[in-house]
Amino acid sequence: QKEVEQDPGPLSVPEGAIVSLNCTYSNSAFQYFMWYRQYSRKGPELLMYTYSSGNKEDGRFTAQVDKSSKYISLFIRDSQPSDSATYLCAMFTASYGKLTFGQGTILTVHP
Amino acid sequence: ETGVTQSPTHLIKTRGQQVTLRCSSQSGHNTVSWYQQALGQGPQFIFQYYREEENGRGNFPPRFSGLQFPNYSSELNVNALELDDSALYLCASSPHLENTEAFFGQGTRLTVV
Repeated sequence: QKEVEQDPGPLSVPEGAIVSLNCTYSNSAFQYFMWYRQYSRKGPELLMYTYSSGNKEDGRFTAQVDKSSKYISLFIRDSQPSDSATYLCAMFTASYGKLTFGQGTILTVHP
Repeated sequence: ETGVTQSPTHLIKTRGQQVTLRCSSQSGHNTVSWYQQALGQGPQFIFQYYREEENGRGNFPPRFSGLQFPNYSSELNVNALELDDSALYLCASSPHLENTEAFFGQGTRLTVV
């Protein structure tokens, strides 16, 4: 069983839709939770990170962490074609900086 | 732009050869990590360097080795290349050990034939 599970999709939505991306994990020691966006042929770009449970909002993006369920989510409001990319969840413990990534979800937002 | 640059961007090697990939960290960043990303997969941790010392290693064989230099630039060396080593190799730099601000380069696409 992988430490971090992420549905690879692909996910296709119309412009303006609300997108929900999710990951589950098995290691209860994870403390920091990140979301990266990766465009084709590019390196991952950090979108947001959260520490512990709760919500964090940044513009059209909201990250949610539920440590009791070992479940994290990223919501994208008013999705745009420019949001089309692969979204990677990642997490790590404070004592060890190795990032453990999910497989990535391919998102396409069509006009 | 993240300020992290990798070279070369693309590379084709023959099975059994050796390869060196390079990474220039963002200014002021003393931590660098290397990841391997196979097609359709998330990045897998290879190892991390902090102030020129290896500070953690993933499940990769010893033929994957690295260096970090005093200016915090870094190299990834892979010996005895195998077909399965074909992947995107990513370098990430961070201003501290906790990777809450890890910035990735654009990667080096390695193809082993």
